[in-house]
Amino acid sequence: DGGITQSPKYLFRKEGQNVTLSCEQNLNHDAMYWYRQDPGQGLRLIYYSQIVNDFQKGDIAEGYSVSREKKESFPLTVTSAQKNPTAFYLCASTSGDVSYEQYFGPGTRLTVT
Amino acid sequence: AQKVTQAQTEISVVEKEDVTLDCVYETRDTTYYLFWYKQPPSGELVFLIRRNSFDEQNEISGRYSWNFQKSTSSFNFTITASQVVDSAVYFCALSEHNSGNTPLVFGKGTRLSVIA
Repeated sequence: DGGITQSPKYLFRKEGQNVTLSCEQNLNHDAMYWYRQDPGQGLRLIYYSQIVNDFQKGDIAEGYSVSREKKESFPLTVTSAQKNPTAFYLCASTSGDVSYEQYFGPGTRLTVT
Repeated sequence: AQKVTQAQTEISVVEKEDVTLDCVYETRDTTYYLFWYKQPPSGELVFLIRRNSFDEQNEISGRYSWNFQKSTSSFNFTITASQVVDSAVYFCALSEHNSGNTPLVFGKGTRLSVIA
């Protein structure tokens, strides 16, 4: 089955540690995205990549980093510089064709204490 | 700048009632796309509908219907005869330009609770 995989579903880290969230898609989509969701805040764009080896900052990129070495993978690193990393993180992808629909992964809930 | 406003933070209805979720958007582009997504308690976003700015026809899909009005920059979503399984957070989103790779701008969501 085609889709987007995010692992793990729940992640716990100590403050000051970097942590990398995984996002893999087998939909052959060109573009991939990372959003952060906080209660009552909706989804906010962290980073996105429209093609391999290229990515752009979103609205809240500070404290995060990404890489796009392969078309199917777009990992997000939450660094110790991110002031409030506890949140629900959603990865998405789109083919860029006429469908325009973004497909979302199941999300990773990160808790930093 | 683009913006999506969902003024209703939470709505509670009794099962079988009709309910309308409001969405108002702002954009300078003449070409744009509007979306509705459903987020059940599991957390994954489920795509419901996409509408482009040149198509103002209302759409009906089963118990779901959407009313797109460019004159008021609104794209409202109505659930007819609501059911408990409709309980979720619903997001309206906007994508500018004519590229399918443009990121979406989301509203803050409306939490719908359908009570049996």
